[in-house]
Amino acid sequence: KAGVTQTPRYLIKTRGQQVTLSCSPISGHRSVSWYQQTPGQGLQFLFEYFSETQRNKGNFPGRFSGRQFSNSRSEMNVSTLELGDSALYLCASSERGAEQFFGPGTRLTVL
Amino acid sequence: GENVEQHPSTLSVQEGDSAVIKCTYSDSASNYFPWYKQELGKRPQLIIDIRSNVGEKKDQRIAVTLNKTAKHFSLHITETQPEDSAVYFCAASRWDGSGGGADGLTFGKGTHLIIQP
Repeated sequence: KAGVTQTPRYLIKTRGQQVTLSCSPISGHRSVSWYQQTPGQGLQFLFEYFSETQRNKGNFPGRFSGRQFSNSRSEMNVSTLELGDSALYLCASSERGAEQFFGPGTRLTVL
Repeated sequence: GENVEQHPSTLSVQEGDSAVIKCTYSDSASNYFPWYKQELGKRPQLIIDIRSNVGEKKDQRIAVTLNKTAKHFSLHITETQPEDSAVYFCAASRWDGSGGGADGLTFGKGTHLIIQP
């Protein structure tokens, strides 16, 4: 099976803009989770979607949102970008909600 | 919420020796404990995991042990090789086993494992 894919791989935005990141899970996986990775905070959970419903949410402001489509593909959106949002955004897919397999990530730089 | 502490932050071992990385967790409801390996510039890769109904699990040179009473789990790598050099992350989560979603993984801060030739 093909692995988890994410687009775009790299993004440069300026403060105040918004951004949308996309994730395609492994075929057959219905759960998609999003994580933010930074050198200072490490890997932090953003939210998890299963069958188009947000099941769990981490401790991030409302500027971070997401959705999942009927084909299990997921998008996350960050509005009103801040410098501190610069990070590697990783999505992970899971068949049964336990073992999570990560995509290559989207490197977001906010200037 | 869950809190995962990981030690050490950096571990340097001679090639062929063993490496041990330790993690503690705070939420007694956590029941799923995976370990990920992340090489520079690459995605985290799941290398082994353990559920709370098991005390130990092995896969070739890698083993994980879990002590639920102490809320402590460890990664053991034997006969280390240069390709083992990477950052290793432990994580914890609650999983109901129903196949429908899971709490997000709470990660430790990572251990940079350096294999000295």
